[in-house]
Amino acid sequence: GEDVEQSLFLSVREGDSSVINCTYTDSSSTYLYWYKQEPGAGLQLLTYIFSNMDMKQDQRLTVLLNKKDKHLSLRIADTQTGDSAIYFCAEIQESGYALNFGKGTSLLVTP
Amino acid sequence: SAVISQKPSRDICQRGTSLTIQCQVDSQVTMMFWYRQQPGQSLTLIATANQGSEATYESGFVIDKFPISRPNLTFSTLTVSNMSPEDSSIYLCSVDLAFGETQYFGPGTRLLVL
Repeated sequence: GEDVEQSLFLSVREGDSSVINCTYTDSSSTYLYWYKQEPGAGLQLLTYIFSNMDMKQDQRLTVLLNKKDKHLSLRIADTQTGDSAIYFCAEIQESGYALNFGKGTSLLVTP
Repeated sequence: SAVISQKPSRDICQRGTSLTIQCQVDSQVTMMFWYRQQPGQSLTLIATANQGSEATYESGFVIDKFPISRPNLTFSTLTVSNMSPEDSSIYLCSVDLAFGETQYFGPGTRLLVL
């Protein structure tokens, strides 16, 4: 499939907000996801958004969806050092329910 | 949510050998998937393994190299056959609980081929 694009690196100070951006390819994707991968660990589903929504908030996480521009963002409020990880954006593939992933954004939170 | 376990969690193998990775889910699921994550890379889908049908492989992956079994609704295996160092990756299984609404991943199997 075509690429889901993400910036590769983001560095923020502890306590600031982090915004991780993603552009996806398939306008018919029903769900879009954010996963977190800590070093040496598997993928943790952070949140997802249905395509008929433009915003979803879950505690410190806010997902914004702009369907017109095929742009998805994840905002982490009050970022902590424990938030340092790789964040993957994913969309459902056209052919079924498997996921098409971006390359991941490495978030570094400094004290 | 779903609790997914994989065995082994990691292994070091010699080239030319084969390794079978197991994926166990704590609930019955129709759709299971196998992904590969090469070092420093994103995840790439290997195949979709639905119970009651043959696995469907993505472009670049073939059944002879990655045979998959799906004997029931809670279990699947992926075999990496005739391994070479290029097969060194993390292999992850995932399940879809609600037709795309939520997809959960196992912890992964870290494979190093020497």
